[in-house]
Amino acid sequence: AQKITQTQPGMFVQEKEAVTLDCTYDTSDQSYGLFWYKQPSSGEMIFLIYQGSYDEQNATEGRYSLNFQKARKSANLVISASQLGDSAMYFCAMEGSTNAGKSTFGDGTTLTVKP
Amino acid sequence: EAGVAQSPRYKIIEKRQSVAFWCNPISGHATLYWYQQILGQGPKLLIQFQNNGVVDDSQLPKDRFSAERLKGVDSTLKIQPAKLEDSAVYLCASSHPGRSKWQFFGPGTRLTVL
Repeated sequence: AQKITQTQPGMFVQEKEAVTLDCTYDTSDQSYGLFWYKQPSSGEMIFLIYQGSYDEQNATEGRYSLNFQKARKSANLVISASQLGDSAMYFCAMEGSTNAGKSTFGDGTTLTVKP
Repeated sequence: EAGVAQSPRYKIIEKRQSVAFWCNPISGHATLYWYQQILGQGPKLLIQFQNNGVVDDSQLPKDRFSAERLKGVDSTLKIQPAKLEDSAVYLCASSHPGRSKWQFFGPGTRLTVL
């Protein structure tokens, strides 16, 4: 069974500062992928960043980076230089390798960027 | 490249009625997902197709929900009969594991059951 845990229901950050959104996961798969998605109030789900379980380097995409600690089963999202447009719901998700990859999402963290 | 298309965008029905949602994934995407997202929660996977075969439907309430993906392209999700607790946004997503591993989501269908 797969499980994603996001322990922060809501987070606040000052504009231009960095923020870390926590994600821990549980899986029995040896090979898996970890994802972060952003869901603004408009509702569309937007892919942000991907980390493969065998990737040696932490993934980065612009202002987004993924702090992957495999032994601790954590995949935290770091957003640098926060912008007002970053205010949204953020979901951590994973897809395992068994069964051609079952997809599991966490319950999300609401991020509010303060001016 | 056209995105994932879903229709309708909004639907209001009374309990015990039936409803169907349609999804057309991105061309060439073999994997198609249907999620139920209740307000304030993360998306819950209902069913996952690889081409026209079912990968996982363990969380699909099979007594009332059904889904098909004929010819491995577009898909239909049906609820019959609907209950009040089915009020949610139904998201369709698709992915191409060989090219990009992440999912592309459609705009969703907001269902209200009265």
